[in-house]
Amino acid sequence: SSELTQDPAVSVVLGQTVRITCQGDSLRSYFASWYQQRPGQAPVLVIHERSKRPSGIPDRFSGSGSDITASLTITGAQADDEADYYCCSRDRSGNRVFGGGTKLTVL
Amino acid sequence: EVHLVESGGGLVQPGGSLRLSCEASGFTFSAYEINWVRQAPGKGLEWVAFISESAGTIFYADSVRGRFTISRDNAKNSLFLQMNSLSAEDTAVYYCAREMLGVAVPGKGAFDVWGQGTMVNVSS
Repeated sequence: SSELTQDPAVSVVLGQTVRITCQGDSLRSYFASWYQQRPGQAPVLVIHERSKRPSGIPDRFSGSGSDITASLTITGAQADDEADYYCCSRDRSGNRVFGGGTKLTVL
Repeated sequence: EVHLVESGGGLVQPGGSLRLSCEASGFTFSAYEINWVRQAPGKGLEWVAFISESAGTIFYADSVRGRFTISRDNAKNSLFLQMNSLSAEDTAVYYCAREMLGVAVPGKGAFDVWGQGTMVNVSS
């Protein structure tokens, strides 16, 4: 299966650490990318190739993964991090696939 | 500055057709793989289609295969999406998104530049 599964919602207390996960069989073979999307805005790439951070993305964002799970960790969450987060990967056919998204609330 | 600007969205009746465009600027368009991604109102991101640099490789999501056609004109720095047999389920904001350069095959799906999106509303 090429589906990617994410928890629909996660919350974190301001300044604490939160992990958002993505699961799928394709992650055994392919790396995940992660996107942040604020309301009314286009998505922004925050992690690619499982753990690489694009320039301009704060270092509190990190990525990891093993077997069928990829994770996005925000260390010291800020109010500005409240957003929807999506994982993305590819499948054996070359198609790209997104997870269902996780709504992060910063308390 | 790097930009992708979509256009061509609007209101269309079920069964109708629409052609979306995405104009690129600030980078060498012909060097990049490009995708269309859509987002229905209040829903998550859905990958729609992919086209390689020279259009030699094209992929479609199952939900649009046979109805949508992705193409590009590198001379005009433009990407297109021809959408036929539209239904209410195709109502969404459509984004064009550039694949990051230099990513190996296992890491594909890294979209480093996105347009602002164009809204397609399929309704009678």
